[in-house]
Amino acid sequence: EVKLLESGGGLVQPGGSLRLSCAASGFTFSNYAMSWVRQAPGKGLEWVSSISLSGGSTYYADSVKGRFTISRDSPKSALYLQLNTLRAEDTALYYCAKGGWGDAFDVWGQGTMVTVSS
Amino acid sequence: DIVMTQSPDSLAVSLGERATINCKSSQSVLYNSKNKYYLGWYQQKPGQPPKLLIYWASTRASGVPDRFSGSGSGTDFTLTISGLQAEDVAVYYCQQYFNAPWTFGQGTKVEIK
Repeated sequence: EVKLLESGGGLVQPGGSLRLSCAASGFTFSNYAMSWVRQAPGKGLEWVSSISLSGGSTYYADSVKGRFTISRDSPKSALYLQLNTLRAEDTALYYCAKGGWGDAFDVWGQGTMVTVSS
Repeated sequence: DIVMTQSPDSLAVSLGERATINCKSSQSVLYNSKNKYYLGWYQQKPGQPPKLLIYWASTRASGVPDRFSGSGSGTDFTLTISGLQAEDVAVYYCQQYFNAPWTFGQGTKVEIK
């Protein structure tokens, strides 16, 4: 069974940092681009970042560029998102998704919640 | 950036009737050499992650009932639910995966009338 399982969310103060993880299973992780998508409470989907299958190319939404860093560890079938200088507007459910670089997002995790508040 | 605009924002349809959701991209999402539209449709039920329904604008994802269909060309696309079922109550999103940022539409909420 193809699965993605996110972890690492929590409550953090403005200006703080978090590292989100996504454990993949059931498919050859190194063969696919991976992405992060977030959803603020009661709002729509916002693409955040993607990384190519090799890890050599990355893209970021303007809203997180310079603050967030995406990375992958293919031997571990793991995707990461380092969140720095967090703001209240980063409060959202963060989903890991398989896709990007010309592929639809065909597998999604259950999400991990990030709350930025003092 | 490619802007995706959905209409309507919400609609209420009677059980068994047709629901139609539109999505317009601000520029082409057609990859000419492959003759494919890089356009997907997702369904998100309350409390659940999004689920891919349609990719390449008109190809149903594995396990998706055939009452869901996608169509369109140019910059205008449509998701049709033929014979709405109670379990289809959800928010539906279109997305282009042609160019980064891979933008989503704002969502269309489908309810039962």
